[in-house]
Amino acid sequence: EADIYQTPRYLVIGTGKKITLECSQTMGHDKMYWYQQDPGMELHLIHYSYGVNSTEKGDLSSESTVSRIRTEHFPLTLESARPSHTSQYLCASTGAGDTQYFGPGTRLTVL
Amino acid sequence: KNQVEQSPQSLIILEGKNCTLQCNYTVSPFSNLRWYKQDTGRGPVSLTIMTFSENTKSNGRYTATLDADTKQSSLHITASQLSDSASYICVVSDRGSTLGRLYFGRGTQLTVWP
Repeated sequence: EADIYQTPRYLVIGTGKKITLECSQTMGHDKMYWYQQDPGMELHLIHYSYGVNSTEKGDLSSESTVSRIRTEHFPLTLESARPSHTSQYLCASTGAGDTQYFGPGTRLTVL
Repeated sequence: KNQVEQSPQSLIILEGKNCTLQCNYTVSPFSNLRWYKQDTGRGPVSLTIMTFSENTKSNGRYTATLDADTKQSSLHITASQLSDSASYICVVSDRGSTLGRLYFGRGTQLTVWP
């Protein structure tokens, strides 16, 4: 099992709150990713990083931001949450062989 | 338009039975195709990965096939178990950029009944 962690696993908050979703991996992977997944739908890439101080936006436009100050840490922040942000957020990292290892996900509900 | 289409959308089978899930893709250029298993409320876990030159790959009771000419793949599950109940996601990589962009299918929701 991959060593990639996400916290919190579940989060219910009110509109307008600032939130940070944490993602950490202990495998030393340079490449990390954030995906958004609605029930029954495919994963959509919202952010990715090739290494420290490298971040890029993905295919799906997102109001969230990310940072990569340390190799093992790739947090995602929403400055002002809205109901439209309700979704599951999955963090992943890539090692040798290009296999993506996924974290357990954070299910976010914005009321 | 999603370039990876999976069928069926959902499937219910009895424990012990076999089943086959389908994946058709239009992604080009093609680099590799992966099948992931995603349990409810969890992140996807890789089952198999196949490159252009590989047409079959097994992982225990899971056997994936790939026909790069017709751009089709299948995942065959043998002697299903209750723990096989999950969403199975087909993912195609195009290697069209340094990112090695991944295209995700919407998954097939498999339910195994006792």
